[in-house]
Amino acid sequence: DAKTTQPPSMDCAEGRAANLPCNHSTISGNEYVYWYRQIHSQGPQYIIHGLKNNETNEMASLIITEDRKSSTLILPHATLRDTAVYYCIGRSAGNMLTFGGGTRLMVKP
Amino acid sequence: NAGVTQTPKFQVLKTGQSMTLQCAQDMNHEYMSWYRQDPGMGLRLIHYSVGAGITDQGEVPNGYNVSRSTTEDFPLRLLSAAPSQTSVYFCASSPYLGDNEQFFGPGTRLTVL
Repeated sequence: DAKTTQPPSMDCAEGRAANLPCNHSTISGNEYVYWYRQIHSQGPQYIIHGLKNNETNEMASLIITEDRKSSTLILPHATLRDTAVYYCIGRSAGNMLTFGGGTRLMVKP
Repeated sequence: NAGVTQTPKFQVLKTGQSMTLQCAQDMNHEYMSWYRQDPGMGLRLIHYSVGAGITDQGEVPNGYNVSRSTTEDFPLRLLSAAPSQTSVYFCASSPYLGDNEQFFGPGTRLTVL
């Protein structure tokens, strides 16, 4: 299982890009990296996942380094509603999502 | 589709009481799971199921039982509640076991006195 490391908190100005880093140096070759977020006390919400190519969807972009030891989630134009805890997650056998402490992103006006 | 639903939203129990947290999904997903989230912490997997009639333990299964008699429902039972089980419980489902999105319910906030 990949152990992930994220900064505990980050700030971002509204309208600017939010770049959230994640280190996953122990990730195995066929293990995907997932990103979820949790707004206040709601259930986690899926954002994006990837293996080794960069990925983009309507919510965010995911940049994975060539050695796959780290990745960055990019919210291109952060809004106040993006304030949440963002989890970078490795997936173990049994489809278990191993949640760490995450990054608390505060988007400020 | 209602997605993943959980009942109740809130529950207070006394030590030693039993109860069942309900989870249902209407997306015909094969995979369902239960997580708990303690204050300021990430989620930890309790039990999961890859299909009707099949369940397995996650990271923190002690004190909890599950069953999966239908594809739609995956109840979580606390046989004898303890204060250490005070937490927020989330149910999740996904189409299959593998690399795909998991859909989470709104959670049940449980307090054990």
